[in-house]
Amino acid sequence: ELKVEQNPLFLSMQEGKNYTIYCNYSTTSDRLYWYRQDPGKSLESLFVLLSNGAVKQEGRLMASLDTKARLSTLHITAAVHDLSATYFCAVVPYNNNDMRFGAGTRLTVKP
Amino acid sequence: DTAVSQTPKYLVTQMGNDKSIKCEQNLGHDTMYWYKQDSKKFLKIMFSYNNKELIINETVPNRFSPKSPDKAHLNLHINSLELGDSAVYFCASSPFRSYNEQFFGPGTRLTVL
Repeated sequence: ELKVEQNPLFLSMQEGKNYTIYCNYSTTSDRLYWYRQDPGKSLESLFVLLSNGAVKQEGRLMASLDTKARLSTLHITAAVHDLSATYFCAVVPYNNNDMRFGAGTRLTVKP
Repeated sequence: DTAVSQTPKYLVTQMGNDKSIKCEQNLGHDTMYWYKQDSKKFLKIMFSYNNKELIINETVPNRFSPKSPDKAHLNLHINSLELGDSAVYFCASSPFRSYNEQFFGPGTRLTVL
């Protein structure tokens, strides 16, 4: 069964600092997604990564995918308070089409 | 314009009752989904559905059943509600089964007393 593991699960960081969230998965896939969820809100799509070596950036967030290592990273640059949220990675394996989510990383950015 | 909408937003009910949650998407997508998010924020797919195929997660109790009157709607019916059904339920849609990103509805917070 596909396993999607994120770490860390909880992250508290100071404004202005950099950090990386990791997403490992256990089966072959070239489709990986990052979502953001604010407390009490729905999920918002951040990045869609569809090939090995894909890198996408939006503002202070940059996501990358290494399909050989079965690893995606979400890098945060110079964090600001507005980035506080829970971040989920999700993977769609080759052998079926159902999206499986990681447990989420709850990010808190402190002033 | 709301892309994926759900009603109700909050649902509080007694154990043993039967309830429904409605979902509508106006994106013209072919595939719709239901997810359950538990108190620890873990998201689990329950169903994926397009006009040809229903895929059920085998861990979902048969008290849960999706019903799709047309391509734009996928409702979730729950019979004989139990305490453990309390969660937030999200509907989502995508242009094609999971190849593209999924767009999520606002969620329905179900509380079973």
